[in-house]
Amino acid sequence: AQSVAQPEDQVNVAEGNPLTVKCTYSVSGNPYLFWYVQYPNRGLQFLLKYITGDNLVKGSYGFEAEFNKSQTSFHLKKPSALVSDSALYFCAVRGLPDKLIFGTGTRLQVFP
Amino acid sequence: DGGITQSPKYLFRKEGQNVTLSCEQNLNHDAMYWYRQDPGQGLRLIYYSQIVNDFQKGDIAEGYSVSREKKESFPLTVTSAQKNPTAFYLCASRSGTGGFNQPQHFGDGTRLSIL
Repeated sequence: AQSVAQPEDQVNVAEGNPLTVKCTYSVSGNPYLFWYVQYPNRGLQFLLKYITGDNLVKGSYGFEAEFNKSQTSFHLKKPSALVSDSALYFCAVRGLPDKLIFGTGTRLQVFP
Repeated sequence: DGGITQSPKYLFRKEGQNVTLSCEQNLNHDAMYWYRQDPGQGLRLIYYSQIVNDFQKGDIAEGYSVSREKKESFPLTVTSAQKNPTAFYLCASRSGTGGFNQPQHFGDGTRLSIL
């Protein structure tokens, strides 16, 4: 069965420090992986995706993600966090026949 | 601006009542989706449609119904059979060009509560 795990309910980081939000996945075959961000009472905004190719994927708002096949991970990273990055982050993997399977989300809190 | 419009933003349902959530997109996307979001559970797929006049059940379709009569519209009805309808409902769409590796784009949701 295909699944996604986000092991941390919340991540706290000081503004200006690097941030990492963790995601691991379980799929049969090659994974299609996505990161989304959600602000309060809003829909999800697409950040980036991994389909194939380079293991380091660059996305919107300075975010990037590192795909690691041996560790089945797709961690979201940003070199320097902003207070405005505080939000709920979701990792997702493409499931069959046509759906996204989401993790439970990680709340990122960036402190000034 | 192209995007997905969900209405209303807030909706209240009485016991035994059916309610319909609207989802309209002007992105010319072929596929549309309905998700339910509950705190701490991520998003779960209710229904999806890859083409007009066709739709498929997702993981939690019981107590819900949909229609897809037009490419741009995918309304969701929460029926009285859905005993726990309180949740945040999100509609999404995806371009058919490029296939399943295209990201889904989301509306801003409808929050449904029971009176």
